[in-house]
Amino acid sequence: EDQVTQSPEALRLQEGESSSLNCSYTVSGLRGLFWYRQDPGKGPEFLFTLYSAGEEKEKERLKATLTKKESFLHITAPKPEDSATYLCVLYLIQGAQKLVFGQGTRLTINP
Amino acid sequence: NAGVTQTPKFRVLKTGQSMTLLCAQDMNHEYMYWYRQDPGMGLRLIHYSVGEGTTAKGEVPDGYNVSRLKKQNFLLGLESAAPSQTSVYFCASRARRTSSFNEQFFGPGTRLTVL
Repeated sequence: EDQVTQSPEALRLQEGESSSLNCSYTVSGLRGLFWYRQDPGKGPEFLFTLYSAGEEKEKERLKATLTKKESFLHITAPKPEDSATYLCVLYLIQGAQKLVFGQGTRLTINP
Repeated sequence: NAGVTQTPKFRVLKTGQSMTLLCAQDMNHEYMYWYRQDPGMGLRLIHYSVGEGTTAKGEVPDGYNVSRLKKQNFLLGLESAAPSQTSVYFCASRARRTSSFNEQFFGPGTRLTVL
C-alpha cells in the first residue's frame, strides 16, 4: 500500500531557528513529489516539485530535497510569517490522477 | 485573475438535505478536482474531471455527484447529506501537460457541517 508519513506532526521554533521537516514514503512507483503550504482557513498553495533523487529546489528561506525514500523541507532562519502547515504530496505512476497527500506538519514560528 | 473560487464558504445542513458546491476557475485549466479534508487526514480525492463534459470517480466518491458542463465550472452535489460528510471541501484545477504533472491550484475551501 502506498503510504506517506510526515514528521513531526507539529513543530514550534523561535524566529531565526533553522530546522527541517521530513516526508518519508513507501510507494510502488513515484513520479514526483510536491510540497504545499496551507494557512489556516485557506487552500494549499504550491511551493515545489521534485522529480528525481538528488534534486533540490529553493525559494526564499525554504529548500526542498529528495532522496529515494524521503524528502526534506529545510527552513533557514524562519520568520513568523512562515508559520503554516506544510503538506507533502506524492504523484504516483499508476493512475493518471493519483496523488497521495500527507497529513502535514504544522509549523509555528514564535517572534 | 481570481484563480480558483468556491461558493459558498460556509454551510450548515440538516441530515437528508441536498446542496451543490460551485467551483470556478479562470485559468483555462482542463483538469478540475474535488477533495475533502478531515482532521488528522490528508486530502482525499472525491471526483475529478479531465475536460468539459467528463467526470470520474476518485478515492471517496460515495454520496457525491459532480458535473462539468462548462470548462470553467465544476459542481459537487450532495443529494442526501449525512453527518459523515461534515468536512472542508477544496476544489483544485491544473493545466494539462503530457510530459509532467503540473501543480494544482486550490480554492479557499467550503466548510460544510451536517447536523
